[in-house]
Amino acid sequence: GQQVMQIPQYQHVQEGEDFTTYCNSSTTLSNIQWYKQRPGGHPVFLIQLVKSGEVKKQKRLTFQFGEAKKNSSLHITATQTTDVGTYFCAGRGGSYIPTFGRGTSLIVHP
Amino acid sequence: SAVISQKPSRDICQRGTSLTIQCQVDSQVTMMFWYRQQPGQSLTLIATANQGSEATYESGFVIDKFPISRPNLTFSTLTVSNMSPEDSSIYLCSVEGQGAPYGYTFGSGTRLTVV
Repeated sequence: GQQVMQIPQYQHVQEGEDFTTYCNSSTTLSNIQWYKQRPGGHPVFLIQLVKSGEVKKQKRLTFQFGEAKKNSSLHITATQTTDVGTYFCAGRGGSYIPTFGRGTSLIVHP
Repeated sequence: SAVISQKPSRDICQRGTSLTIQCQVDSQVTMMFWYRQQPGQSLTLIATANQGSEATYESGFVIDKFPISRPNLTFSTLTVSNMSPEDSSIYLCSVEGQGAPYGYTFGSGTRLTVV
């Protein structure tokens, strides 16, 4: 079945440093979604990417979908303590229901 | 996007007992999804619940252990039956957005500890 690999599992940064998490799928995706889960909270939808090579920005967050639609990345510029949490990608391939990556936990040190 | 009320938010249960988790959505939705999230892990889909039909379970999950009800288009329950410590986890219900960009909305989760 479809697998979505996400790295790194954890990332410690100093406040103000950049952060990137990567997702790779074993199969071509129709779309990929990104979620943020704050500590003790539930996942919250951030964005969906659909087109090959698509790039979307939300303030300091930049989301990319690979040309082959098998990988994606989330980049945060100049991290803040409010960025702390776990970021999940969720890829939709042959199945209607997306497969979630393992998540990358971002720890920001002030 | 939809608003989901999930309860209980947490519970500590004795092994061998059952716990029923409820999710109420503020709008009618065709499908509701139940997930399990073990500490520090990703979300694993347990089953998809459609109104008026039996839930569809993912590999590794069975109806006898996780019976699901879906009596109408705004409500669903998940029961964790005959619990063991291995069932300690966070359980989340979810619905898909009804309009673009179609992200999933999650309930606040039920943190279950089995002792």
